[in-house]
Amino acid sequence: EDKVVQSPLSLVVHEGDTVTLNCSYEVTNFRSLLWYKQEKKAPTFLFMLTSSGIEKKSGRLSSILDKKELFSILNITATQTGDSAIYLCAANRDDKIIFGKGTRLHILP
Amino acid sequence: GAGVSQSPSNKVTEKGKDVELRCDPISGHTALYWYRQRLGQGLEFLIYFQGNSAPDKSGLPSDRFSAERTGESVSTLTIQRTQQEDSAVYLCASSLVGGNYEQYFGPGTRLTVT
Repeated sequence: EDKVVQSPLSLVVHEGDTVTLNCSYEVTNFRSLLWYKQEKKAPTFLFMLTSSGIEKKSGRLSSILDKKELFSILNITATQTGDSAIYLCAANRDDKIIFGKGTRLHILP
Repeated sequence: GAGVSQSPSNKVTEKGKDVELRCDPISGHTALYWYRQRLGQGLEFLIYFQGNSAPDKSGLPSDRFSAERTGESVSTLTIQRTQQEDSAVYLCASSLVGGNYEQYFGPGTRLTVT
């Protein structure tokens, strides 16, 4: 059965800390891995990863995919209170998208 | 336990035809969302139902799109006179309540308009 597992389920850190969010997947016909930030209503797209070992960066956020170990991480450096959200990982296969349950991140001022 | 289910999983239709997509949320979840994911793009919010309140339809791209939900159960998304640009994966999610609560996603319906 296809699955996407995220860890930790929740995380509380202080502003300025660096966090690493984990996503493992077991998906047949895997095509790409997606990261989203969910605040309020609609998740916001962060990254799409298709190749192993190539880091994608956007400001303080970065992500990398390991297709051998079926694993991805999302790093956030110098965290700010505005980073508080639920971070979703999803595996895209040919015919559907499988979401993990998310990591709830809370940044303390 | 049972998660969010959607049907059909795949739908191929001819341009101009109407399609109806179905979402069964997790039992007890009062909030239900519809999203669209086009190839290579992020999730696009379509519509949000919260209990018996009037739905938030602000994301519907045109009047060809409509959705219904009866109480806190099944929802249907209807696209009339489909166009090729409607081709996408349509995702449904539910959460216990609306707002900043975890949304549980269904597997999606992949719609292809030829």
